[in-house]
Amino acid sequence: NAGVTQTPKFQVLKTGQSMTLQCAQDMNHNSMYWYRQDPGMGLRLIYYSASEGTTDKGEVPNGYNVSRLNKREFSLRLESAAPSQTSVYFCASSVGDRKNYNEQFFGPGTRLTVL
Amino acid sequence: AQSVSQHNHHVILSEAASLELGCNYSYGGTVNLFWYVQYPGQHLQLLLKYFSGDPLVKGIKGFEAEFIKSKFSFNLRKPSVQWSDTAEYFCAVTLRGTDKLIFGTGTRLQVFP
Repeated sequence: NAGVTQTPKFQVLKTGQSMTLQCAQDMNHNSMYWYRQDPGMGLRLIYYSASEGTTDKGEVPNGYNVSRLNKREFSLRLESAAPSQTSVYFCASSVGDRKNYNEQFFGPGTRLTVL
Repeated sequence: AQSVSQHNHHVILSEAASLELGCNYSYGGTVNLFWYVQYPGQHLQLLLKYFSGDPLVKGIKGFEAEFIKSKFSFNLRKPSVQWSDTAEYFCAVTLRGTDKLIFGTGTRLQVFP
């Protein structure tokens, strides 16, 4: 069991370039999430997907798009990167049983720098 | 709007000292409460969680937290810290019946031998 995996681990982009961050989980979880982590601001939710085929905006969705490709995979796309998107991005997943909250499991993160 | 406050941004302790990290949330309804830990260079891991029942919750590595509903608090404690506890600690809240976590800004703990 690999848990939650993310690629790439590091990326440097120039302003205006696009890229997709990949996330996959092998725990058969229904819900998946994308967060960004910035110094002094904790983790902020960008987008989440409660189940395959559904996505919803989180706290800071501007400048991002997501795709829930299937139950396992949830990608985050930056169409035109900006320096303000320099951050560490974490993907997470949970069983998604809303009757009883379930723990979110986090991936190792992607450190993105936009010049 | 729901929010989580961690007032200690950076805590420096010597080994064997006692630790208490503050966490307050703003929401009047039923919440689930969590503490996550992020060791240097690693991803977040769950330290402990509170859903209901005994307000004193014990987690991994000797950590515990106490839910005080009247104070909207969920402070993290450890009687004697170790150098290996050096990490960043995040308090988080979710409304009962939802699965969106709201994180605090984190507390960086440095423990010196």
